Order: sequence, then C-alpha cells, then structure tokens
Amino acid sequence: DTGVSQDPRHKITKRGQNVTFRCDPISEHNRLYWYRQTLGQGPEFLTYFQNEAQLEKSRLLSDRFSAERPKGSFSTLEIQRTEQGDSAMYLCASSPRTSGSVVYNEQFFGPGTRLTVL
Amino acid sequence: GNSVTQMEGPVTLSEEAFLTINCTYTATGYPSLFWYVQYPGEGLQLLLKATKADDKGSNKGFEATYRKETTSFHLEKGSVQVSDSAVYFCALRGDYKLSFGAGTTVTVRA
Repeated sequence: DTGVSQDPRHKITKRGQNVTFRCDPISEHNRLYWYRQTLGQGPEFLTYFQNEAQLEKSRLLSDRFSAERPKGSFSTLEIQRTEQGDSAMYLCASSPRTSGSVVYNEQFFGPGTRLTVL
Repeated sequence: GNSVTQMEGPVTLSEEAFLTINCTYTATGYPSLFWYVQYPGEGLQLLLKATKADDKGSNKGFEATYRKETTSFHLEKGSVQVSDSAVYFCALRGDYKLSFGAGTTVTVRA
C-alpha cells in the first residue's frame, strides 16, 4: 500500500495560466475527494467522486475549476485562468467501498499540491 | 450546515505538560467526529475518531469523548512530548465529506 499520491507537490504559475493536478488514490478505493486548504485554515471540501461519477461539487468550485476521474482510477483537478486567490494547498483523499454493516470508512489523505499564483 | 469550531492557537507547552484542545460542532443528524494531525512537512493523518455519542477515541496517548449533550469533542493528552508538535484539526463527517475546524498549532518545548 503506497498511500495516496499527488503530483506535482509544488506548482508556481503566473496569473491567467492553466494548471492541472493529479491524484492517485489507494488502489481499489472507489471514493475520491478533493479539498482545498488555505493558510491558517482547515481543509474545505471541493468535490467527490464515487468511481468515475462526480457526485457533488462545492460552491467553492467555480466554473474555472474542473475535476475528472476517468475509469474510476486517478483523478485530475484543472484550474483555468488562475487567480491569486487560487493559491492554496490542494488535498486529495480516498476511501474504500462501504461493505456490510460498516457505515464509516476512513479518508486517507495525500501530501497535497501547493499552488502559488504570482 | 455542518461546522466545527476549535480553540485558536498557537499553543506552546513544556514537555510532560497536559494538553487540551477544545472542539465544538454544529450538525444535523448524528455525525462522526475526528481529530486529524498534520506534522511539519507531512500530510493529514487520522489521529482518532468516534462514531456515536459517548464513544471515546484514543491513540498515541490522545483521547477525545463524543459529547452529544454539549456538542463537543475535546482532545486531551496527559503528558506531551516534543514529537507532538503539530497542527491538530477537529472534523466531522455527516454523509461522506469532512468539515474541518481551522486547526490549532501546538508547539512542545523540551
């Protein structure tokens, strides 16, 4: 088990550029989540996938943001026309399929991608 | 909606001191409650959890009890070590997504 991985770990870009982040969940985890964490705050939910289906998007996810999870494996988060306010740590988490009487499954977090928009 | 309020930091303690970080929540239904820890340069790790009222979560000497009557989930440790220096986040899970507090930075001095 290699854990959740994210790439890149750091990204510096100029305002107006597009960026794309990748998340590889723990294998066989069917649920995948994206969160955003700004300095001095806790993570905030952005979006959630169950397999390849995107089931919820937060109001924080403006039209400039898009997330995909083709084939229900890795996921990408793209930000178009970046703004300085997009500077944050973008966290990905995954959790396994709920089975039997288990109603809770721990979310395992990746190390995050730190985005700086100049 | 769901929300979490936790004690503001930073908190600075001497080794072997008692640590408590207050956490209260607002939620509909019966959420699960968590404490996550973020060590310097590392990702979020689950420290402990409680899934129903009166449950006590514990791990690495840390404890927290799910108090429904006071909507609280305070984190405690009787004797901290320098290695406990980190940012601690209280969180709740209603359906599937986590709602986090702002985090409390704890620094333990030798």
